[in-house]
Amino acid sequence: ETGVTQTPRHLVMGMTNKKSLKCEQHLGHNAMYWYKQSAKKPLELMFVYSLEERVENNSVPSRFSPECPNSSHLFLHLHTLQPEDSALYLCASSRGLAGGGDVETQYFGPGTRLLVL
Amino acid sequence: QKEVEQNSGPLSVPEGAIASLNCTYSDRVSQSFFWYRQYSGKSPELIMSIYSNGDKEDGRFTAQLNKASQYVSLLIRDSQPSDSATYLCAVTGAEYGNKLVFGAGTILRVKS
Repeated sequence: ETGVTQTPRHLVMGMTNKKSLKCEQHLGHNAMYWYKQSAKKPLELMFVYSLEERVENNSVPSRFSPECPNSSHLFLHLHTLQPEDSALYLCASSRGLAGGGDVETQYFGPGTRLLVL
Repeated sequence: QKEVEQNSGPLSVPEGAIASLNCTYSDRVSQSFFWYRQYSGKSPELIMSIYSNGDKEDGRFTAQLNKASQYVSLLIRDSQPSDSATYLCAVTGAEYGNKLVFGAGTILRVKS
């Protein structure tokens, strides 16, 4: 596989469920990101990891819990979500966090479409 | 709050015309600028990146950057119906905390 992959592509869950989203990048990048995209809203950055360390937590509710076991994998653990959490969750990766040029260019996975009932 | 602003559209152009998409940003020291295309229900796909003032061309796409006026634009020549999508402008720089900040996107519709 190449690029950035995400599983599952679609997920329906109840408010009491626990589920996890998985992201894997095959680009040799060092930084990975979780974004939320709701209808008619800009992309919202949720979490940033660099070399497996969390460097950004954008005031995200604790019902979202990220995990980065290595530089190629990123998870988003979900529990007791609310209907307003229904959205497209996108994972992205880049060579690095800063430094200008192509280092910062982010490549996105296909996303997980989440519906919370 | 640093912002990246785009006209939400929709911008409608006939097939074969030039589509012009604009983006303004508030951070004077922004360094890197990106245009992504997002089809409905799909994830953003990188089209162009530009880092210095002037024009950068790649096939039918031209990115234009004017740091003094704080805008970046994307021109699409010979627009095709397959270009119909939402175009996202994204900016990064020190005053954005080195994060990629996205605009809300402009919907482009190319009519055949």
